[in-house]
Amino acid sequence: AQSVTQLDSQVPVFEEAPVELRCNYSSSVSVYLFWYVQYPNQGLQLLLKYLSGSTLVKGINGFEAEFNKSQTSFHLRKPSVHISDTAEYFCAATRNDYKLSFGAGTTVTVRA
Amino acid sequence: DAGVTQSPTHLIKTRGQQVTLRCSPKSGHDTVSWYQQALGQGPQFIFQYYEEEERQRGNFPDRFSGHQFPNYSSELNVNALLLGDSALYLCASSLRTRSYEQFFGPGTRLTVL
Repeated sequence: AQSVTQLDSQVPVFEEAPVELRCNYSSSVSVYLFWYVQYPNQGLQLLLKYLSGSTLVKGINGFEAEFNKSQTSFHLRKPSVHISDTAEYFCAATRNDYKLSFGAGTTVTVRA
Repeated sequence: DAGVTQSPTHLIKTRGQQVTLRCSPKSGHDTVSWYQQALGQGPQFIFQYYEEEERQRGNFPDRFSGHQFPNYSSELNVNALLLGDSALYLCASSLRTRSYEQFFGPGTRLTVL
Protein backbone atom coordinates (compact mmCIF):
# COMPACT_ATOMS: atom_id res chain seq x y z
CA ALA A 1 0.00 0.00 0.00
CA GLN A 2 1.05 3.53 -0.59
CA SER A 3 2.28 5.68 2.25
CA VAL A 4 1.80 9.41 1.96
CA THR A 5 3.45 11.93 4.25
CA GLN A 6 2.47 15.55 4.42
CA LEU A 7 5.36 17.31 6.06
CA ASP A 8 3.46 20.29 7.45
CA SER A 9 0.39 19.94 9.62
CA GLN A 10 -0.36 23.67 9.67
CA VAL A 11 0.71 26.47 7.34
CA PRO A 12 -0.22 30.05 8.23
CA VAL A 13 0.23 32.49 5.36
CA PHE A 14 -0.62 36.10 4.61
CA GLU A 15 -3.00 37.03 1.83
CA GLU A 16 -1.30 37.45 -1.56
CA ALA A 17 1.81 35.60 -0.35
CA PRO A 18 2.95 32.35 -1.97
CA VAL A 19 2.38 29.00 -0.33
CA GLU A 20 3.92 25.55 -0.71
CA LEU A 21 2.52 22.37 0.81
CA ARG A 22 4.88 19.44 0.92
CA CYS A 23 4.00 15.84 0.16
CA ASN A 24 6.18 12.75 -0.07
CA TYR A 25 5.06 9.29 -1.09
CA SER A 26 6.65 5.88 -0.84
CA SER A 27 6.82 3.86 -4.01
CA SER A 28 9.33 2.34 -6.35
CA VAL A 29 6.87 1.88 -9.20
CA SER A 30 4.49 4.06 -11.12
CA VAL A 31 2.02 5.96 -9.03
CA TYR A 32 -0.82 8.36 -9.54
CA LEU A 33 -0.86 11.42 -7.31
CA PHE A 34 -3.58 13.83 -6.30
CA TRP A 35 -4.22 16.92 -4.24
CA TYR A 36 -7.65 17.45 -2.72
CA VAL A 37 -9.04 20.43 -0.81
CA GLN A 38 -11.62 20.19 1.94
CA TYR A 39 -13.49 23.25 3.13
CA PRO A 40 -15.09 23.18 6.59
CA ASN A 41 -17.93 20.69 6.86
CA GLN A 42 -17.62 19.65 3.24
CA GLY A 43 -16.33 16.71 1.22
CA LEU A 44 -13.16 16.56 -0.85
CA GLN A 45 -12.69 18.51 -4.05
CA LEU A 46 -10.01 17.53 -6.53
CA LEU A 47 -7.46 20.30 -7.10
CA LEU A 48 -5.18 18.51 -9.52
CA LYS A 49 -3.77 15.14 -10.47
CA TYR A 50 -0.62 13.60 -11.89
CA LEU A 51 -1.11 10.50 -14.01
CA SER A 52 1.81 10.68 -16.45
CA GLY A 53 3.59 13.08 -18.77
CA SER A 54 4.68 16.57 -17.78
CA THR A 55 5.91 16.74 -14.22
CA LEU A 56 4.38 20.18 -13.71
CA VAL A 57 0.65 19.86 -13.22
CA LYS A 58 -1.75 22.77 -13.19
CA GLY A 59 -5.04 22.58 -11.36
CA ILE A 60 -7.99 24.69 -10.41
CA ASN A 61 -7.94 27.97 -8.49
CA GLY A 62 -4.37 28.78 -9.54
CA PHE A 63 -2.74 25.78 -7.85
CA GLU A 64 0.04 23.75 -9.40
CA ALA A 65 2.18 20.81 -8.30
CA GLU A 66 5.44 19.29 -9.39
CA PHE A 67 6.06 15.56 -9.53
CA ASN A 68 9.63 14.66 -8.61
CA LYS A 69 10.27 10.96 -9.05
CA SER A 70 13.81 10.99 -7.68
CA GLN A 71 12.68 12.66 -4.47
CA THR A 72 9.30 10.89 -4.42
CA SER A 73 7.62 14.23 -3.84
CA PHE A 74 4.54 16.00 -5.12
CA HIS A 75 4.55 19.48 -3.60
CA LEU A 76 1.62 21.84 -4.11
CA ARG A 77 2.15 25.54 -4.75
CA LYS A 78 0.19 28.71 -5.30
CA PRO A 79 1.96 31.99 -6.09
CA SER A 80 -0.61 34.23 -4.38
CA VAL A 81 -3.21 33.02 -1.92
CA HIS A 82 -6.61 34.45 -1.07
CA ILE A 83 -8.61 34.36 2.13
CA SER A 84 -10.87 31.83 0.42
CA ASP A 85 -7.96 29.37 0.18
CA THR A 86 -8.26 28.74 3.91
CA ALA A 87 -8.97 25.01 4.06
CA GLU A 88 -7.56 21.55 4.69
CA TYR A 89 -5.43 20.10 1.91
CA PHE A 90 -4.82 16.40 1.37
CA CYS A 91 -2.24 14.68 -0.77
CA ALA A 92 -3.22 11.21 -2.00
CA ALA A 93 -1.61 8.41 -4.00
CA THR A 94 -2.68 5.20 -5.68
CA ARG A 95 -1.07 2.59 -7.89
CA ASN A 96 -3.88 2.34 -10.42
CA ASP A 97 -5.94 0.22 -8.13
CA TYR A 98 -8.93 0.61 -5.96
CA LYS A 99 -7.65 2.57 -3.02
CA LEU A 100 -6.50 6.11 -2.45
CA SER A 101 -4.01 6.51 0.38
CA PHE A 102 -4.19 9.93 1.98
CA GLY A 103 -1.79 11.98 4.00
CA ALA A 104 -2.85 13.40 7.35
CA GLY A 105 -3.64 16.77 5.84
CA THR A 106 -2.27 20.32 5.98
CA THR A 107 -4.36 23.12 7.41
CA VAL A 108 -3.81 26.36 5.51
CA THR A 109 -4.90 29.52 7.25
CA VAL A 110 -4.75 32.68 5.17
CA ARG A 111 -4.62 35.94 7.12
CA ALA A 112 -5.29 39.44 5.86
CA ASP B 1 -24.97 16.78 -14.10
CA ALA B 2 -25.44 15.78 -10.47
CA GLY B 3 -22.34 14.94 -8.54
CA VAL B 4 -22.04 12.38 -5.79
CA THR B 5 -24.79 12.69 -3.22
CA GLN B 6 -24.95 11.24 0.28
CA SER B 7 -27.64 10.97 2.92
CA PRO B 8 -28.20 11.79 5.63
CA THR B 9 -25.97 14.80 6.23
CA HIS B 10 -25.71 14.23 9.95
CA LEU B 11 -26.59 11.34 12.20
CA ILE B 12 -26.45 10.75 15.95
CA LYS B 13 -26.52 7.23 17.33
CA THR B 14 -25.71 5.54 20.63
CA ARG B 15 -23.25 2.77 21.27
CA GLY B 16 -24.41 -0.65 20.14
CA GLN B 17 -26.85 0.66 17.56
CA GLN B 18 -26.71 0.04 13.84
CA VAL B 19 -26.55 2.68 11.11
CA THR B 20 -27.03 2.80 7.33
CA LEU B 21 -25.54 5.51 5.15
CA ARG B 22 -26.47 6.02 1.53
CA CYS B 23 -24.64 7.20 -1.57
CA SER B 24 -25.63 7.93 -5.16
CA PRO B 25 -22.69 8.07 -7.57
CA LYS B 26 -21.98 10.69 -10.18
CA SER B 27 -23.91 10.13 -13.38
CA GLY B 28 -22.16 7.56 -15.58
CA HIS B 29 -20.04 6.10 -12.79
CA ASP B 30 -20.29 2.42 -11.89
CA THR B 31 -17.93 2.07 -8.93
CA VAL B 32 -18.39 3.29 -5.38
CA SER B 33 -15.77 3.51 -2.65
CA TRP B 34 -16.29 4.36 1.00
CA TYR B 35 -13.85 6.15 3.28
CA GLN B 36 -13.84 7.00 6.98
CA GLN B 37 -12.36 10.33 8.03
CA ALA B 38 -11.83 10.69 11.76
CA LEU B 39 -11.47 14.19 13.15
CA GLY B 40 -8.13 15.72 12.24
CA GLN B 41 -7.07 12.84 10.03
CA GLY B 42 -7.02 11.92 6.37
CA PRO B 43 -9.64 9.59 4.92
CA GLN B 44 -9.12 5.85 5.34
CA PHE B 45 -10.35 3.38 2.71
CA ILE B 46 -13.12 1.06 3.90
CA PHE B 47 -14.13 -0.84 0.76
CA GLN B 48 -15.09 -0.56 -2.89
CA TYR B 49 -18.09 -1.91 -4.76
CA TYR B 50 -18.40 -2.73 -8.42
CA GLU B 51 -21.02 -4.87 -10.17
CA GLU B 52 -22.86 -5.17 -6.87
CA GLU B 53 -19.96 -6.95 -5.18
CA GLU B 54 -17.35 -5.90 -2.67
CA ARG B 55 -14.13 -5.91 -4.66
CA GLN B 56 -11.55 -4.64 -2.24
CA ARG B 57 -11.49 -3.96 1.48
CA GLY B 58 -9.35 -1.90 3.78
CA ASN B 59 -8.43 -2.66 7.37
CA PHE B 60 -11.89 -2.44 8.87
CA PRO B 61 -13.76 -5.06 10.95
CA ASP B 62 -16.70 -7.07 9.72
CA ARG B 63 -19.03 -4.70 11.56
CA PHE B 64 -18.64 -2.57 8.47
CA SER B 65 -20.55 -3.94 5.51
CA GLY B 66 -22.01 -2.57 2.34
CA HIS B 67 -24.17 -3.09 -0.63
CA GLN B 68 -24.41 -1.85 -4.19
CA PHE B 69 -27.67 -1.76 -6.08
CA PRO B 70 -28.29 -2.29 -9.81
CA ASN B 71 -28.48 1.50 -10.30
CA TYR B 72 -24.93 1.71 -8.84
CA SER B 73 -26.03 3.45 -5.65
CA SER B 74 -24.58 2.07 -2.46
CA GLU B 75 -25.13 1.70 1.26
CA LEU B 76 -22.66 1.46 4.10
CA ASN B 77 -23.84 -0.39 7.20
CA VAL B 78 -22.13 -0.31 10.56
CA ASN B 79 -23.28 -2.66 13.32
CA ALA B 80 -22.62 -2.54 17.04
CA LEU B 81 -21.49 1.07 16.93
CA LEU B 82 -18.52 2.13 19.04
CA LEU B 83 -17.56 5.61 20.17
CA GLY B 84 -14.57 5.34 17.84
CA ASP B 85 -16.86 5.03 14.84
CA SER B 86 -17.66 8.72 15.13
CA ALA B 87 -16.34 10.24 11.91
CA LEU B 88 -17.16 11.76 8.56
CA TYR B 89 -18.02 8.99 6.11
CA LEU B 90 -17.20 9.84 2.54
CA CYS B 91 -18.46 8.14 -0.56
CA ALA B 92 -16.51 8.39 -3.79
CA SER B 93 -17.56 7.29 -7.25
CA SER B 94 -15.53 6.45 -10.31
CA LEU B 95 -15.50 4.52 -13.53
CA ARG B 96 -14.20 0.99 -13.14
CA THR B 97 -11.70 1.58 -15.93
CA ARG B 98 -10.39 4.71 -14.17
CA SER B 99 -10.94 3.77 -10.55
CA TYR B 100 -8.08 5.97 -9.41
CA GLU B 101 -10.04 9.09 -10.38
CA GLN B 102 -12.53 9.30 -7.58
CA PHE B 103 -15.11 12.03 -7.06
CA PHE B 104 -16.23 12.58 -3.51
CA GLY B 105 -19.57 13.40 -2.01
CA PRO B 106 -20.10 15.85 0.85
CA GLY B 107 -20.05 13.10 3.46
CA THR B 108 -22.22 11.97 6.35
CA ARG B 109 -21.17 13.10 9.81
CA LEU B 110 -21.81 10.25 12.26
CA THR B 111 -21.68 10.92 15.98
CA VAL B 112 -21.82 7.97 18.36
CA LEU B 113 -22.72 8.82 21.96
